[in-house]
This record gives sequence, C-alpha cells and structure tokens, in this order.
Amino acid sequence: QKEVEQNSGPLSVPEGAIASLNCTYSDRVSQSFFWYRQYSGKSPELIMSIYSNGDKEDGRFTAQLNKASQYVSLLIRDSQPSDSATYLCAVNRGADSWGKFQFGAGTQVVVTP
Amino acid sequence: DAGVTQSPTHLIKTRGQQVTLRCSPKSGHDTVSWYQQALGQGPQFIFQYYEEEERQRGNFPDRFSGHQFPNYSSELNVNALLLGDSALYLCASSLNGETGELFFGEGSRLTVL
Repeated sequence: QKEVEQNSGPLSVPEGAIASLNCTYSDRVSQSFFWYRQYSGKSPELIMSIYSNGDKEDGRFTAQLNKASQYVSLLIRDSQPSDSATYLCAVNRGADSWGKFQFGAGTQVVVTP
Repeated sequence: DAGVTQSPTHLIKTRGQQVTLRCSPKSGHDTVSWYQQALGQGPQFIFQYYEEEERQRGNFPDRFSGHQFPNYSSELNVNALLLGDSALYLCASSLNGETGELFFGEGSRLTVL
C-alpha cells in the first residue's frame, strides 16, 4: 500500500465547474497536509495547507481534512483553463520526521473550455 | 527576494558516471531537502540537510550523497549512475522547525544513457 494515494486521472472538468480531488494516506500520525500544483515541466508550488479537521478556504480553493478517515480533498471552484495541471497531495508526519514530506503520484486535471 | 535556484537545468550522463547537482535555498531559509521525481510520479524524498548535516534520509542507496555548505547551499551527488536514475531532481528549501511550505526550485533534469 502506498503511503499517499491519489487517482491519477486525467480528471476532465468543464470550465466554470467544480473539480474535486481526493487523497488518502496510510500513516495515522500524520499531522500536516498540503496540496501542490505542478504544471507540465515545472516544479511544484503550494496551493493549500491544512492541519486541522474540517474545511479551509482560500479563494477558489477549499481543502478538506478528515483525520479519522485519513482523507484529504481539494475542491477547485469555477475551474479555469489555467487550472489544468497535476495536483500533488503531500503529507508530513511531524515530530521526528517533520522534514520528510510524502507525496502522492498526483491527479492530472484538464479544464475544457 | 531570490527563490530557490538549481543548476544545471539539464544534463546527460552515461551509466557508471557521477553527477553533482547544486542548489541555493530561498533567502532566509536554512534547510534544504532533495527529491527525485520520475516521469508521471510524485516527488520522492532523498534526504534533508540542516546545519551542514544530513538530518533525515529516504529510501535511497548510498550512491546518493549530499552536502550542505555554511551559506546553506547544498549539493546532491550521485555515483555509479544507473538508467533508473533518470529523473527530475528537485531541491526544496524551508526554515528549520517549520512543518509548513516547501519552496521548490525548477529542478535539474538528469538523463542517463
């Protein structure tokens, strides 16, 4: 079992619609959770971080965390063609492993006009 | 404010050779992590350096080694290159003790022939 799992996609989303991305993780003691966006041929850039159960909103992005279910999600509202990218879920165990981030393989999102 | 810079951006090596990749962290950051990203995969943690010492290490063989200099810059060395070492090597900087955002450089694309 992979430590961080994501659907690889591609996830095709009409422009203006909501894109919903999911991520599950296996380490129950994980403490911090991140969503990175990576355009083709570019490096990852942080979109959202979330540390507590519940929802966190930042502009068109909403991250949702459920530690009991070991599940974190990202919603992209009013999807734009510029949102077409691969979205990476990253998990940090904290404590003595705080510097080590575990990444999923990413979900490719394609926003169609 | 200078971001994370990496060099070289692209390089081609043959099996058995050795390679050195370089990274300068974002201004104000003191911790450098290295990740390997194979095509279609998420970044995989190689190791992290802080105060010129390797603090954490992922599941990579001893052929992968590194160094951090007093100015916080870092090098990644890979010996006895294998075809499977072909990947994008990402350097990420952060501030010690922070479990938050990693700032990535644009990466060094290594091709092993």
